Amino acid sequence: KQEVTQIPAALSVPEGENLVLNCSFTDSAIYNLQWFRQDPGKGLTSLLLIQSSQREQTSGRLNASLDKSSGRSTLYIAASQPGDSATYLCAVRGGQNFVFGPGTRLSVLP
Amino acid sequence: DTAVSQTPKYLVTQMGNDKSIKCEQNLGHDTMYWYKQDSKKFLKIMFSYNNKELIINETVPNRFSPKSPDKAHLNLHINSLELGDSAVYFCASSQVTGGTQQFFGPGTRLTVL
Repeated sequence: KQEVTQIPAALSVPEGENLVLNCSFTDSAIYNLQWFRQDPGKGLTSLLLIQSSQREQTSGRLNASLDKSSGRSTLYIAASQPGDSATYLCAVRGGQNFVFGPGTRLSVLP
Repeated sequence: DTAVSQTPKYLVTQMGNDKSIKCEQNLGHDTMYWYKQDSKKFLKIMFSYNNKELIINETVPNRFSPKSPDKAHLNLHINSLELGDSAVYFCASSQVTGGTQQFFGPGTRLTVL
């Protein structure tokens, strides 16, 4: 049974810092891994999708890497801004379903 | 042009009632999902459904049932609501093949009194 964990659970940084969020999964037989952002009281917004054959994906200030063999993904946020404050969730897809991690709650202080 | 939409956004009801939440996607996806996000914000899948297969998370009580009138809709029907059913319910969709993204609806906040 796939299990997904994320560390840290919460993170508070001053504006402008570069930061790394971590996602780990127990079963490396995945199709892809997706990073989402959830703002308070809102739905999920897809940030990046990495296929199992890929090593990384980039979108603007975001870079996500995937090391399938070790069961890890990282989300790197460059030059953080207060607008980046949200909960970040990773989800791995094996078969038809997605399994979510518990999320990292990020606060970027102005 | 919302990709995945849900109604209602908020639902407040008494214990024991039966209620439904509707979901529609206009992405042409083959598979739709229902998730429950509890007070600790953990997202857990409840159902995934395409034209051929319904996969039910074994922890979901049989008071919950998905109903799909067509490929673009997957409604969630809940019988005999309980206090513990209070949560945010998210609908999502994706293609049936493994390599595609999942898109989420805005969520329905259910409060059972």
